[in-house]
Amino acid sequence: QSALTQPRSVSGSPGQSVTISCTGTSSDVGGYYYVSWYQQHPGKAPKNMIYDVFKRPSGVPDRFSGSKSGNTASLTISGLQADDEAEYYCCSYAGTYSNVVFGGGTRLTVL
Amino acid sequence: QVQLVQSGAEVKKPGASVKVSCKASGYTFTSYGISWVRQAPGQGLEWMGWISGHNTDANYAQKFQGRVTMTTDASTSTAYMELRSLRSDDTAIYYCARRGGGYWLDPWGQGTLVTVSS
Repeated sequence: QSALTQPRSVSGSPGQSVTISCTGTSSDVGGYYYVSWYQQHPGKAPKNMIYDVFKRPSGVPDRFSGSKSGNTASLTISGLQADDEAEYYCCSYAGTYSNVVFGGGTRLTVL
Repeated sequence: QVQLVQSGAEVKKPGASVKVSCKASGYTFTSYGISWVRQAPGQGLEWMGWISGHNTDANYAQKFQGRVTMTTDASTSTAYMELRSLRSDDTAIYYCARRGGGYWLDPWGQGTLVTVSS
């Protein structure tokens, strides 16, 4: 069982928006502004899409946005495109003992 | 561009050890740490630990403490992850990733498949 809880799957049609939630506790998501999101296509290495809750690395489209409220972080993808279909993982710093925890992953299907 | 290139696939017997390398380029190696993450077949990501680029600080996930050692060699900009006493459930793809100050991971290496089988 993963430390952070994500929905197993979400789906949306091209052009629509989807939001993926990531629920933790006050010891991880709720306690720090160190939430990041990763996109993984089948057979590929993960790619950082969001870091520090809402910041986008260079080259990541502004269709991807991140936010946090309490113990839940969210990744929103607007203007869905076929290539957005992938697995998405959230990740949070969890203090000096647990250090880093991942969510179980969410499969995004573009209908 | 920033790039991490990992060593090739390994097949090991239960009880053996494996050492995976991760060669960095395109940035100042000692300015960032390296994290290691693994992914069992069909499963999610699991954080194993991280090591500083100076090889002075390391932090391992509790699950792997006593069985894993991570090191870095600044002279060759290479990080290493050694896992000992391998079991069949250690079969996974092992990734290295550059660790930023906010604990983000970017970029990632291409992954190294480690298969543990008798």
